[in-house]
Amino acid sequence: NAGVTQTPKFQVLKTGQSMTLQCAQDMNHNSMYWYRQDPGMGLRLIYYSASEGTTDKGEVPNGYNVSRLNKREFSLRLESAAPSQTSVYFCASSETFTGNTIYFGEGSWLTVV
Amino acid sequence: GESVGLHLPTLSVQEGDNSIINCAYSNSASDYFIWYKQESGKGPQFIIDIRSNMDKRQGQRVTVLLNKTVKHLSLQIAATQPGDSAVYFCAENSWANAGGTSYGKLTFGQGTILTVHP
Repeated sequence: NAGVTQTPKFQVLKTGQSMTLQCAQDMNHNSMYWYRQDPGMGLRLIYYSASEGTTDKGEVPNGYNVSRLNKREFSLRLESAAPSQTSVYFCASSETFTGNTIYFGEGSWLTVV
Repeated sequence: GESVGLHLPTLSVQEGDNSIINCAYSNSASDYFIWYKQESGKGPQFIIDIRSNMDKRQGQRVTVLLNKTVKHLSLQIAATQPGDSAVYFCAENSWANAGGTSYGKLTFGQGTILTVHP
């Protein structure tokens, strides 16, 4: 079982460059999420998609955009990367958006120089 | 405000010992709690969950205890093994409203580093 798959695993960007993190889940989950994880800050929600066709801001959405391409895929875009966006990004999914367990991908390590 | 915190940021145990990782939460309305394990360089992995109408739930070598009176959650790992070394997070689910729709909001703690010595 692949579960939640995200790419790329590692990326180095220059300030001002753009990039898209891709995520796909094969569990037929309705809800998908993007989190960032920073030392001492824990996991913080960037954006979520409660169901196909909807997206909403989470705790730290500034500087990001998302697209729920279909039920399986949920991408995160950095339009103009900043050093403050250096972080580990995790895509996740859950069966519904009503208090179900969230399953995470393996993470994408992004460095902005 | 709501928060999820851990009493101990690090825990070191000998192989074969039992481990107990603690978590305090402040939102008494939270109705669902999850423990995750995160190994170095990997994503958080679901271990066990418990709903607020339960006090205890057991899995394979793991037990979660919920004390709603003092808003405390703990994860017990029996016969700890070196492969159990990781960061352990607790998370609580509470309910929020957006545009008239209720949704579950998961809040994560900072994590406890568990180190198991052979």
